[in-house]
Amino acid sequence: DGGITQSPKYLFRKEGQNVTLSCEQNLNHDAMYWYRQDPGQGLRLIYYSQIVNDFQKGDIAEGYSVSREKKESFPLTVTSAQKNPTAFYLCASSIWSGGAFGTETQYFGPGTRLLVL
Amino acid sequence: AQKVTQAQTEISVVEKEDVTLDCVYETRDTTYYLFWYKQPPSGELVFLIRRNSFDEQNEISGRYSWNFQKSTSSFNFTITASQVVDSAVYFCALSEREIKAAGNKLTFGGGTRVLVKP
Repeated sequence: DGGITQSPKYLFRKEGQNVTLSCEQNLNHDAMYWYRQDPGQGLRLIYYSQIVNDFQKGDIAEGYSVSREKKESFPLTVTSAQKNPTAFYLCASSIWSGGAFGTETQYFGPGTRLLVL
Repeated sequence: AQKVTQAQTEISVVEKEDVTLDCVYETRDTTYYLFWYKQPPSGELVFLIRRNSFDEQNEISGRYSWNFQKSTSSFNFTITASQVVDSAVYFCALSEREIKAAGNKLTFGGGTRVLVKP
């Protein structure tokens, strides 16, 4: 089945610990994104990648890091510098439809809930 | 900077009633895209509809319909004859076409929680 997978579903972090959230897609999409969602809030962009080996900071990149070594994979590391990491993390991917009036739609994975112990 | 506002935080209806969700956006671009996503209790965001700024035609797709009006910068979404399975949080989102390639950022509204009671 084609889609976006995120693992783990739940992740617990201890103080001072770095943790990595996995995001994999087999849709052959070029772009991938990481969002953070706090309870009762909308989504905020952390990092995004338009192509392999390239990524840009979103609106709330501090305390996070990413890599894009393969087209299918875009892991997110929550570092110890992120003081309030408890949130729901969503990964998305998209592809350009092409043409003069091209469009793209972001499709989302099931998410990872990160909790601090 | 782009901005999306969903003024309704929560709507409660009885099954079979219609539900209209409001969305107002701000953008300086002339080419942009508007989206509606559904987030059921499981958490995954499900894409529902997309509208391009150069196409104001309003459409109906099953029980979903939308009303896009550039003059008022609004992109409202209606669920007709609501069902319990429609209970979810609905997000409106805006994407400016900064590049003609994948990787254009989405800006989300705060979401509207819809509760459909049997």
